[in-house]
Amino acid sequence: DAGITQSPRHKVTETGTPVTLRCHQTENHRYMYWYRQDPGHGLRLIHYSYGVKDTDKGEVSDGYSVSRSKTEDFLLTLESATSSQTSVYFCAISQASGGGKLFFGSGTQLSVL
Amino acid sequence: DAKTTQPNSMESNEEEPVHLPCNHSTISGTDYIHWYRQLPSQGPEYVIHGLTSNVNNRMASLAIAEDRKSSTLILHRATLRDAAVYYCILIDYNQGGKLIFGQGTELSVKP
Repeated sequence: DAGITQSPRHKVTETGTPVTLRCHQTENHRYMYWYRQDPGHGLRLIHYSYGVKDTDKGEVSDGYSVSRSKTEDFLLTLESATSSQTSVYFCAISQASGGGKLFFGSGTQLSVL
Repeated sequence: DAKTTQPNSMESNEEEPVHLPCNHSTISGTDYIHWYRQLPSQGPEYVIHGLTSNVNNRMASLAIAEDRKSSTLILHRATLRDAAVYYCILIDYNQGGKLIFGQGTELSVKP
């Protein structure tokens, strides 16, 4: 299994509070991604990174920011959490070469009350 | 981004082959075809990928049409553990390699 660790695995927070989710990899892969998964919507891309300090928006980036100061860490921040951000969040990594596999973490269940 | 179209659901009997179709009529020359599956309460799992030629691995086979506008994931002998949502996705690594998931096909396997 690819070395991907998401933390925390579960979090309950209140509306308006900041939240940071962490994705840590030990594979030295170039690309990292954050997805959210909700019933009826499948997996939707939030942000992705193609290198240290290189990030771009995905399909549903409003209300989220990301940072990647090291190859191994990709942080997802909800500046002011809202109930609509209650979801399961998945991190994924892939190599730089064309057609490479993506490996997903185990997910973070976030509940915003 | 090129889109894919899959049936919402399919059923199979245990130990029989399963053919999961995917249409991607707007595929570009640099798009790779990837298949992932997601078991209940787990993250997506890589199954197989290809560009132009058919591909085989220990999990499945991928048959790609000659014009590349469609592909089929083949599970040679379905087991109960293959019950999952299967996603067909196009990836262009010249565009950041991001995956855009569709709704996928929910496969149920009957004993």
